[in-house]
Formats: sequence, C-alpha cells, structure tokens
Amino acid sequence: GENVEQHPSTLSVQEGDSAVIKCTYSDSASNYFPWYKQELGKRPQLIIDIRSNVGEKKDQRIAVTLNKTAKHFSLHITETQPEDSAVYFCAASIVDDKIIFGKGTRLHILP
Amino acid sequence: GAGVSQTPSNKVTEKGKYVELRCDPISGHTALYWYRQSLGQGPEFLIYFQGTGAADDSGLPNDRFFAVRPEGSVSTLKIQRTERGDSAVYLCASSLGGRESRYFGPGTRLTVL
Repeated sequence: GENVEQHPSTLSVQEGDSAVIKCTYSDSASNYFPWYKQELGKRPQLIIDIRSNVGEKKDQRIAVTLNKTAKHFSLHITETQPEDSAVYFCAASIVDDKIIFGKGTRLHILP
Repeated sequence: GAGVSQTPSNKVTEKGKYVELRCDPISGHTALYWYRQSLGQGPEFLIYFQGTGAADDSGLPNDRFFAVRPEGSVSTLKIQRTERGDSAVYLCASSLGGRESRYFGPGTRLTVL
C-alpha cells in the first residue's frame, strides 16, 4: 500500500520568511496530493491540493510542486505570518480511494 | 451550507463497553471516510464509503470495529468491547466523489478508561 514520508517534523522560521515542507510517496499510481493545516484541537483544513496532471499550483502565499518521476511533492509558504503556525499534513491517494497522510510538520513562526 | 458534523464531540467510556460515533456529511457528498488520529500523529485511514457500500475497509484494525451508512448519508462507526488503546480522535470526512476534495468534521474525542 501507499506510504507517505514527511520532513521535517518540526520547522521554525522567522516571520516574513518562507517555509518549505517536503513529502515523498511510494505508490506510483497515486495521483491526488492534498495538504491539510491543523491547529491545536481543531479539524484538519484542506489548504491546497494538486493532481498529477500538473506540476505546480499556487494560491496566494501557498504553492505546491509535484515531481511524479521522483515521487516528491512540496508545500511552499511565502511571507509567513503568525497565523501560519500549525501542524501541516501532506497526503497522497489514488483518486476514488483513501487518502494516506504523512506524520505531520509542526510549523512555528517566530516573531 | 453546513460542513461535516460529528456527534458526540466527546465520549468517555469504560473498557469493555460499546460505543457509536455519528457522522453527518455535507449534503450531497457521496463519499465518506472515517479516520482515527492519535496525539501527535497524522490521521489514520479506517474505512471509505461510496454511497451505501463500504468501498474499502482495509484500515479497520480488527473485528471490534464496524461502520454503516444505510441510506448513503449519515454514517455510524461502532466499536465493541472498547480497549484503552482505542482512545483517539475519530475524524469523519466527506467529498462529492472520490475525485473531489475531502472535508473533515470536527471529530469525536473518545476516551476509554
């Protein structure tokens, strides 16, 4: 089955700097890659997703890139703000099937 | 419209008891997923429904866990003979179909004493 690895487990960046979280997946059939943000005690919130027919997608300060050959995908957050502090999860799935999540990255935005 | 809702928000039970957790998906969403999240971990897949049928139940840890979705909308996750290791937040998510984005409910925090 699918296995998703996520790095780093913890990331601290200065406010205004960029943050990058990287994930790898094992099943070459996976073709849907969502990213979720989870604040303490809250539900995971979908922030952006990408399908395998594109290599990059942007939404304001957030971008995701996908390298299907290497089975890598990454989340980029630019101009980080205090409200970006949360745990971020990458995930992968074969569309129409279950999503498999990474273990998460705790992002701290330092003032 | 309303998002995914789950009841109860918290459930405390004793070891060996039976519990039911309910999920109300977003109206019109045909796909429904159950996940379990332990502290400091990512959500762990349990079961996926497409309509009324369980399309994939490979994540259910053992036969104490069962889920139903009789009318293709509300789903109930049932846990028999609860164990302390079952303590976690149980999350439900729904989507318009397998090809669409999934949206999570707030979860039910289950504590087994």
